[in-house]
Amino acid sequence: SQQGEEDPQALSIQEGENATMNCSYKTSINNLQWYRQNSGRGLVHLILIRSNEREKHSGRLRVTLDTSKKSSSLLITASRAADTASYFCATETGANNLFFGTGTRLTVIP
Amino acid sequence: EAGVAQSPRYKIIEKRQSVAFWCNPISGHATLYWYQQILGQGPKLLIQFQNNGVVDDSQLPKDRFSAERLKGVDSTLKIQPAKLEDSAVYLCASSSTAQETQYFGPGTRLLVL
Repeated sequence: SQQGEEDPQALSIQEGENATMNCSYKTSINNLQWYRQNSGRGLVHLILIRSNEREKHSGRLRVTLDTSKKSSSLLITASRAADTASYFCATETGANNLFFGTGTRLTVIP
Repeated sequence: EAGVAQSPRYKIIEKRQSVAFWCNPISGHATLYWYQQILGQGPKLLIQFQNNGVVDDSQLPKDRFSAERLKGVDSTLKIQPAKLEDSAVYLCASSSTAQETQYFGPGTRLLVL
């Protein structure tokens, strides 16, 4: 299966702390994307990192990619209660087909 | 700019019945996707359209699922007959081309009893 796998499955932190989620995958990729999904809602695209990039920043988000280890991490700094959601990594291997992982459920406690 | 629209938001049916979902992508987006998201899992691609042509339907259970995008804009996904394991959220997404970010609709939550 090309599906990614996030770790941990669930994460609970205090507001203001940093949250780190990891993603591992199995095949070569063109890019890796991170999405957020609030309960009962659709997915929101957060950030895309291409296979030739190692690190990318967007606001409070920092994503790293290690293609030799087939892994990526998403760091959310200074977390807020509004960051409570499920976070998915998705790998793109061609033709913009995305293969999603099982997600990390993040709870930020006010 | 309006987002991806889907209807209905919720649907409850009995097994062996049929059901249809509708998606209106973002205006001008040529590529449209249907995903199935079972509770506790990530979305799984069912079918991808480029304009009104199918690009990838390798994971669509074609004995019971069908989808069309006749005029290259709106799309419908149909299940006939439904099974209990089809209970899931069906997400529609669109992108301006096959190489760009996908934008997701709110989904249709289906419960098959």
